[in-house]
Amino acid sequence: SQTIHQWPATLVQPVGSPLSLECTVEGTSNPNLYWYRQAAGRGLQLLFYSVGIGQISSEVPQNLSASRPQDRQFILSSKKLLLSDSGFYLCAWTLYGGKGIDGYTFGSGTRLTVV
Amino acid sequence: LAKTTQPISMDSYEGQEVNITCSHNNIATNDYITWYQQFPSQGPRFIIQGYKTKVTNEVASLFIPADRKSSTLSLPRVSLSDTAVYYCLAGYSTLTFGKGTMLLVSP
Repeated sequence: SQTIHQWPATLVQPVGSPLSLECTVEGTSNPNLYWYRQAAGRGLQLLFYSVGIGQISSEVPQNLSASRPQDRQFILSSKKLLLSDSGFYLCAWTLYGGKGIDGYTFGSGTRLTVV
Repeated sequence: LAKTTQPISMDSYEGQEVNITCSHNNIATNDYITWYQQFPSQGPRFIIQGYKTKVTNEVASLFIPADRKSSTLSLPRVSLSDTAVYYCLAGYSTLTFGKGTMLLVSP
């Protein structure tokens, strides 16, 4: 069966420090991968998505970046964190875009607090 | 991507049927309608997906009229554990989540 792993679960980082969040998917090949962010009390904002190795599309310009070095690995990074980067970060995957039997499958999320 | 509009919040009691309606007036021909459930500090969980008419699974039913400009998620006999945020999405590839509907189920 397919599983998605996301870590760490919580993270407290000082302003100006770098960030690296990792997401991996098991049990499938060539998934579409996504990074979402959810600020407190708000909906999910799509940050990046990838349809293949090295292919990254950015939805929102910001100081974050994403990379996909392997088929089932998706990394979210920042060189210098801002206070506004605090939030709940979620990785998701799907095989058929937004449609398909199961839609999107989300990871358990990373709660990032920038202090 | 079709923009969706749904109520910000709804209240219900245990054992009642809850219907959450979502409007998606500019839905495209290829768009599917998908509903997700999210508990605090967890990722959204897929509930149900449909294209037209009615879809039913062990958790919920989804009603989509012929014009597909709206859809209704029906949760039969809700329990306290159904308290969550419910998101309606309409799209084909990349999906956009709005703020969802916060459903509060009381004893």
